[in-house]
Amino acid sequence: EDQVTQSPEALRLQEGESSSLNCSYTVSGLRGLFWYRQDPGKGPEFLFTLYSAGEEKEKERLKATLTKKESFLHITAPKPEDSATYLCAVIPNGSGNTGKLIFGQGTTLQVKP
Amino acid sequence: KAGVTQTPRYLIKTRGQQVTLSCSPISGHRSVSWYQQTPGQGLQFLFEYFSETQRNKGNFPGRFSGRQFSNSRSEMNVSTLELGDSALYLCASSSTSGGAGDEQFFGPGTRLTVL
Repeated sequence: EDQVTQSPEALRLQEGESSSLNCSYTVSGLRGLFWYRQDPGKGPEFLFTLYSAGEEKEKERLKATLTKKESFLHITAPKPEDSATYLCAVIPNGSGNTGKLIFGQGTTLQVKP
Repeated sequence: KAGVTQTPRYLIKTRGQQVTLSCSPISGHRSVSWYQQTPGQGLQFLFEYFSETQRNKGNFPGRFSGRQFSNSRSEMNVSTLELGDSALYLCASSSTSGGAGDEQFFGPGTRLTVL
């Protein structure tokens, strides 16, 4: 069964304290892996798409990387405004998976000033 | 470019009633996917529409249905509401024209409360 597991469930950081969020996935074949940010009461906001092992994407203080079994979201020198829930999702290969994102449970990040 | 819009934003219904939620995708996007988000189960896929055809469906009972119109706008319907249907319902649009994998852009969601 296709599955996505994120860790840790919650993370508290001091402003400026860098860290990484993990996303492990089990799929028969990976079509794409996606990272989203979700603020309370809002819809997920798209951050990155990764397709191949070894691929990296960066945006401001965030950097996403991908291996054959997991992805990491690195947060460098976070600020309080980075506080949110970060969601990882995959679309497996196969026409039967069209448009179907499989989400992990998310990591809730709190950055204290 | 305007983002994905969903109406209404909030709904309160009682058990046994039915409800219809609406989603307008980003202009030019032809694929619309629907998700249910609850604290216990997280985000779960309901179904996906492309060019008025349902291409994929998640593991939800038949009380959950949807449709897509020629202008790509989509609606989902839940009949015979149950308390467990209380959730945030999210729709997402994508520009994919035939394959999976393109990023999906989400709307703000409709918060449904069933009493």
